[in-house]
Amino acid sequence: DAGVIQSPRHEVTEMGQEVTLRCKPISGHDYLFWYRQTMMRGLELLIYFNNNVPIDDSGMPEDRFSAKMPNASFSTLKIQPSEPRDSAVYFCASSSLVPDTQYFGPGTRLTVL
Amino acid sequence: QQQVKQSPQSLIVQKGGISIINCAYENTAFDYFPWYQQFPGKGPALLIAIRPDVSEKKEGRFTISFNKSAKQFSLHIMDSQPGDSATYFCAASKEAGSYQLTFGKGTKLSVIP
Repeated sequence: DAGVIQSPRHEVTEMGQEVTLRCKPISGHDYLFWYRQTMMRGLELLIYFNNNVPIDDSGMPEDRFSAKMPNASFSTLKIQPSEPRDSAVYFCASSSLVPDTQYFGPGTRLTVL
Repeated sequence: QQQVKQSPQSLIVQKGGISIINCAYENTAFDYFPWYQQFPGKGPALLIAIRPDVSEKKEGRFTISFNKSAKQFSLHIMDSQPGDSATYFCAASKEAGSYQLTFGKGTKLSVIP
């Protein structure tokens, strides 16, 4: 298995633009997680899905953030409009049993100018 | 509210020495405690995990010690090697109900030759 796949790996955009981050979880995994990592706040869970259904989105910082999982093999995290304080590394992770091992993708480094 | 406190923020150890990273938690409902290892430019990866029915778990050079009454757990890396240089995160979660991993802020370990 190729592991969790994220794209793009790097994204540079200007304030106010829409940003879409993509994730392909490991095949067969029922849970998908979106995290944000910053120096100040560390690793924060934004939202997680079980069987494509959002279960807990209490970590989503504000309405500018939205996440979808249209099928078992694809999820998106969208920021609209983006702001400089959204600059961070965004990780997607998947697991087959919770809280068993979560497999993280390589992350998307987002820079909002 | 930071529910998992990790220390130190950074650690420098000589090759062959013992690296010790400590974590303390507040929520007594936590009953799963994993450690993740993250290399630069990569996502975190599960290193070792413990449940509170045991006080210690060892896998190779890595050992978790767990003190339920003190609500503390620690990672010991024996015979530390330069290849162990990475950022280590402790985490905690409840097995039932919530599937959210709460991460510590991380410890950057540097093992010098």
